[in-house]
Amino acid sequence: NAGVTQTPKFQVLKTGQSMTLQCAQDMNHNSMYWYRQDPGMGLRLIYYSASEGTTDKGEVPNGYNVSRLNKREFSLRLESAAPSQTSVYFCASTRLAGGAQETQYFGPGTRLLVL
Amino acid sequence: GENVEQHPSTLSVQEGDSAVIKCTYSDSASNYFPWYKQELGKRPQLIIDIRSNVGEKKDQRIAVTLNKTAKHFSLHITETQPEDSAVYFCAASWGNFGNEKLTFGTGTRLTIIP
Repeated sequence: NAGVTQTPKFQVLKTGQSMTLQCAQDMNHNSMYWYRQDPGMGLRLIYYSASEGTTDKGEVPNGYNVSRLNKREFSLRLESAAPSQTSVYFCASTRLAGGAQETQYFGPGTRLLVL
Repeated sequence: GENVEQHPSTLSVQEGDSAVIKCTYSDSASNYFPWYKQELGKRPQLIIDIRSNVGEKKDQRIAVTLNKTAKHFSLHITETQPEDSAVYFCAASWGNFGNEKLTFGTGTRLTIIP
């Protein structure tokens, strides 16, 4: 049982390049989330997927797109990377039983540097 | 949405003493309040959580209290140990039933002084 996994662990991009961050969970969770973590700003929600087949914007969605590929996988895409997107990105998942929020389990994170 | 404020941003405590971190939230409909611990370079991990129908919850040296009227909740760590040094985040749930999310505070860096 690997929990929540993310790839890659670290990535360097040039401004304007694109990339996709991958996330997968093996806990049969319904909901998945993408956060970014910047110094002094906590964890900010980029996009989330309450259930397979649905996605919604979070607090800071500009410059990102997501795909809920199936129940296990939720990817985050940067179409044209900007230095402001330099951050640590965390994926998380939760069971969301009966509609009520429960423990969110986080992946190990992806450290992204945009030059 | 929800707005969560967390204080203090840094906290240094002598080993063996207690530490208290406080959070306030804005959405009176929030009903789930977790606390996460994040060690350097690692992922956030849940240490304790509380729901709105409970005023206090304890787990060994860790406790959380909730005051719904005042819309604030606090993390209490007693008999602190060096391994308690980390960044702690509070969070509050918000959103429609079946579509709830979490808003996180900005974190408290706790340092335990040996």
